[in-house]
Amino acid sequence: GAGVSQSPSNKVTEKGKDVELRCDPISGHTALYWYRQRLGQGLEFLIYFQGNSAPDKSGLPSDRFSAERTGESVSTLTIQRTQQEDSAVYLCASSFRSGVDTQYFGPGTRLTVL
Amino acid sequence: AQKITQTQPGMFVQEKEAVTLDCTYDTSDQSYGLFWYKQPSSGEMIFLIYQGSYDEQNATEGRYSLNFQKARKSANLVISASQLGDSAMYFCAMRDKAGNNRKLIWGLGTSLAVNP
Repeated sequence: GAGVSQSPSNKVTEKGKDVELRCDPISGHTALYWYRQRLGQGLEFLIYFQGNSAPDKSGLPSDRFSAERTGESVSTLTIQRTQQEDSAVYLCASSFRSGVDTQYFGPGTRLTVL
Repeated sequence: AQKITQTQPGMFVQEKEAVTLDCTYDTSDQSYGLFWYKQPSSGEMIFLIYQGSYDEQNATEGRYSLNFQKARKSANLVISASQLGDSAMYFCAMRDKAGNNRKLIWGLGTSLAVNP
């Protein structure tokens, strides 16, 4: 596709359930990022994938959060045993490996934990 | 530690007028990059403009320009001839070049409202 896509666009879940969020980056982009944005806040870095290198997981808030990426394509962010404080918009971005590294964002997944 | 500061939580501007959104940054790196993104109510983060720390010219992209003052560590966004569609949140961000990481450090944003 032309841009970064994310699914689902909205997810409502009950506390304690697991959720899986998906990101399809722009074709040819080797870098992929996940961010969290709580209501009225800026973006909070979660995890970064660059090609076949080990991902930078330094932003993951707890071991309930994990992410995988298949090669240089789709990524899934998994949140286990969701808590109400996990409610936020989860944004995915991708960029070329080199150069300016401008990150292009998807529309986000709005997660609501009841 | 690297940090981005946006001191204006909200701004108002009259349609067709120019507006400046402030951004200051803190870094010990000599090489860094600064970005501005727009986030309308739909939620998508839209890239607007980029300034590299070694760029001698201020970046411009259509109605957007970046007033880069390196000594003052400021990278203000100037929007000329505001339009109603410019009403949105605006975020300033800096590329973190720690190691091989290229994650962005974000400010808290400025909400811009364009009045007709």
